Amino acid sequence: QSALTQPPSASGSPGQSVTISCTGSSNDVGDCNYVSWYQQLPGKAPKLIIYEVTKRPSGVPDRFSGSKSGNTASLTVSGLQAEDEADYYCSSCGDIDNIVFGRGTKLSVL
Amino acid sequence: EVQVVESGGGLVQPGESLRLSCVASGFTFSAYYMGWVRQAPGKGLEWIGRVRLKTDRYNTLYAASMGGRFTISRDDSKASAYLHINSLKIEDTAVYYCTSENWYRFDYWGQGTLVTVSS
Repeated sequence: QSALTQPPSASGSPGQSVTISCTGSSNDVGDCNYVSWYQQLPGKAPKLIIYEVTKRPSGVPDRFSGSKSGNTASLTVSGLQAEDEADYYCSSCGDIDNIVFGRGTKLSVL
Repeated sequence: EVQVVESGGGLVQPGESLRLSCVASGFTFSAYYMGWVRQAPGKGLEWIGRVRLKTDRYNTLYAASMGGRFTISRDDSKASAYLHINSLKIEDTAVYYCTSENWYRFDYWGQGTLVTVSS
């Protein structure tokens, strides 16, 4: 199963909103309600920020939100802050109970 | 406080085998699937596989791309999970993360252990 498609980079100014897409197929994102997003700061382990498409773990700011339409899931970061500069990865369940990640998006705060 | 701590990484030669370990605390280890994810230098995350629960007879599943060289196991009495890699290749060079899995999401991550495969 191929990696999910994410834009390599995204950027925005402080206070703006940025949306990162994650495109798969009807075998994963399109048929799975278990899409997650992870934030990875430089040199650190990934951190779960969105699960089951739209849910936020305790402690994750509500500036982070998720959605899904068809084969594409999206992560929106509102009110961008300098500390949001990181790599972001999506993941989805696959058609054989596997898990597939996106290739990652580097978010820059200008 | 949740902690997941991996160990066992290092420099190995192509063709050798390696066992990575992780020990967890701060959550009910036996109630979570445990999995491994790797990240090659400068690259993205790659799911390796998982080991399920005792009630699932510790069933395992691996990503097809892993090629059958990886074995994941667990010891609930030690709150530990393991990743055994056979016939290491240069392209296996990566940071290996141990994670808890819950409905296809990874809640708890270790800090990772670096495996470098080189002659």
